[in-house]
Amino acid sequence: EVQLLESGGGLVQPGGSLRLSCAASGFTFSNYAMSWVRQAPGKGLEWVSIVIVSDDITYYADSVKGRFTISRDNSKNTLNLEMNSLRAEDTAVYYCAKMKGVGAYVPSDSWGHGTLVAVSS
Amino acid sequence: DIQMTQSPSSLSASVGDRVTITCRASQSISNRLAWYLQKPGKAPKLLIYKASSLESGVPSRFSGSGSGTEFTLTITSLQPDDFATYYCQQYDFYWTFGQGTKVEIK
Repeated sequence: EVQLLESGGGLVQPGGSLRLSCAASGFTFSNYAMSWVRQAPGKGLEWVSIVIVSDDITYYADSVKGRFTISRDNSKNTLNLEMNSLRAEDTAVYYCAKMKGVGAYVPSDSWGHGTLVAVSS
Repeated sequence: DIQMTQSPSSLSASVGDRVTITCRASQSISNRLAWYLQKPGKAPKLLIYKASSLESGVPSRFSGSGSGTEFTLTITSLQPDDFATYYCQQYDFYWTFGQGTKVEIK
């Protein structure tokens, strides 16, 4: 059974930094692209970033480009999201999601339960 | 950017009803469209991919159709477990979700 467990969320001041992690199990992590998707309170889903099977190719939403960095450690089955220069509008539940394939242009077929990031002074 | 527009934004229905949700893309996305279901406080769940392929384990009362710019999710006989918010997502050029359709109990 695929399991994705996010951690690292919390309350941070505007301009601050946070690192999210996602521990993956139940599948061959190195064979799948992975993504982060967020959901602001009471709002819809917004994709944030995607990394294919190696760190060589990554994608970012315009809203986070230059501030967020996605990475993966295939030896530890871990996905990470380094978030810098955080803004109030980054407040959301952040989901780790497994993509349905090696490449990026596929849907997400498994999701973690999410971790809440709150940016406020 | 490709915009995805779902309609309606919400609907009320009864158990056993046939429900149809539409998703329109601002440009052609071929069949690179997925549908998700999300319940309050829970993660989304993949229902349909490639516009009409049923994800493993998803009940057959869910079906998808369409290609190009217009897509449809149909639930043939609404069950109590189906009351939730439904999202479409395009993955043809980057990724974009629709704004969601909330299915409520009438």
